[in-house]
Formats: sequence, C-alpha cells, structure tokens
Amino acid sequence: DTAVSQTPKYLVTQMGNDKSIKCEQNLGHDTMYWYKQDSKKFLKIMFSYNNKELIINETVPNRFSPKSPDKAHLNLHINSLELGDSAVYFCASSQEWRSGGARTTDTQYFGPGTRLTVL
Amino acid sequence: AQSVTQPDIHITVSEGASLELRCNYSYGATPYLFWYVQSPGQGLQLLLKYFSGDTLVQGIKGFEAEFKRSQSSFNLRKPSVHWSDAAEYFCAVGAGSSYKLIFGSGTRLLVRP
Repeated sequence: DTAVSQTPKYLVTQMGNDKSIKCEQNLGHDTMYWYKQDSKKFLKIMFSYNNKELIINETVPNRFSPKSPDKAHLNLHINSLELGDSAVYFCASSQEWRSGGARTTDTQYFGPGTRLTVL
Repeated sequence: AQSVTQPDIHITVSEGASLELRCNYSYGATPYLFWYVQSPGQGLQLLLKYFSGDTLVQGIKGFEAEFKRSQSSFNLRKPSVHWSDAAEYFCAVGAGSSYKLIFGSGTRLLVRP
C-alpha cells in the first residue's frame, strides 16, 4: 500500500547511456514532481506536472525529459548520462486545491528515492 | 527570491535532552512551511506543516514547530530526543502557490547514548 513508489531504487550505469526512472502514486493526487538531491543533500525541484500538464520546468538540461502518461504516473527519462547526473532523485505528489480563485497545493508526499550512479 | 536557511549543519544532543533546530526563510507573502525528516537511505517524511492559523504546530513523533513572522523563523523542537530521531532534517517553504518547495540545506542530528 505504498503511497508514492519509485523504480528502480538503485541504478548504476555508464556515461552516455539513456535511462528511465518510474514513479507511481496511489493517493489520487493530481500533481507530481521530480526533485534532485545532490551529494551534499541539497534538494532542488526539477519538474512538476498537474493533471498531465507541465507546470514547473526548472533550469534542467534538455537531456532530462519527464513524461506523464496519466495522473498517477510521472517518469523521468535521462539521455546521454553524465557523471554530474549522479544523485538521488525523488518523486513526490500532492493534491491541488483552490481557494477564492487561487490555485495551490497541499502537502507534498515523497517517494523513497532512486540513487543514480554514473560511472 | 524565496530562500530557506538552516544555519546548523550538524547538531549533537544526548538522548533525553531537548532539541531545537533552526530555520529561517525569506518570502514576501505568508509562507507555507514544512519540516521533513530523512533517515539514512530513506525518502522524506513529513513531520509537520504550517499553512495558517495557530502559529504553534504539532507534528508526528512528538515534534512541534513555531512560526514567528517577525523573525521569519520556523524552528523545530522536541522536549526529549530519542536515539531513533537521528536523521537529516529539512525545512522547506512553499513558494508562490506552493507547487514548488524550496528546501534548506538540512541539519544532521546525531544522538549520543
């Protein structure tokens, strides 16, 4: 009954390869996110999707491409992997709500993370 | 621009002692504030959050935090620390509509037996 799940948990690959990380949430949320945590534990948002629409796209290399086939899934595909891509990638989800015409979201719930190591 | 500062990189306390982890934020409007905990090799677990209302917020595992607008702070406290509380603690602010969380750099808590 895991709320936000990610696969794989560990990913070790060579430079130049293409890899994907999958994320699924069973909370019924309509917004999903990808965050990157670097070796110093610093967390930074990469992307966010709301109802399969991209709403946040931070300054991330074009080699990273998120894909949301439906509201419950948000996958991250990375082309031509580089050493600097080594990090832990976290998926998260939340529920959007509206108050007085303004849109915002409730608490973000995080997955267990995927540790990517590029050799 | 929004930012979050956690001035303490490491904190060591004895088991049973009280704990306070500091968090200061920079944000123009009323912020949404969060504390998350990350145990080694694990994901982030929400401890507590502040959206509005009572400025003293109770969370899980006996933690509480107080929002002080005048000091732009949201410090996390626990009256008696347990060895299982050893982890990395992250303060975060919801920026704009809070779709984007801005995280502090984290504070690693070590607990002495």
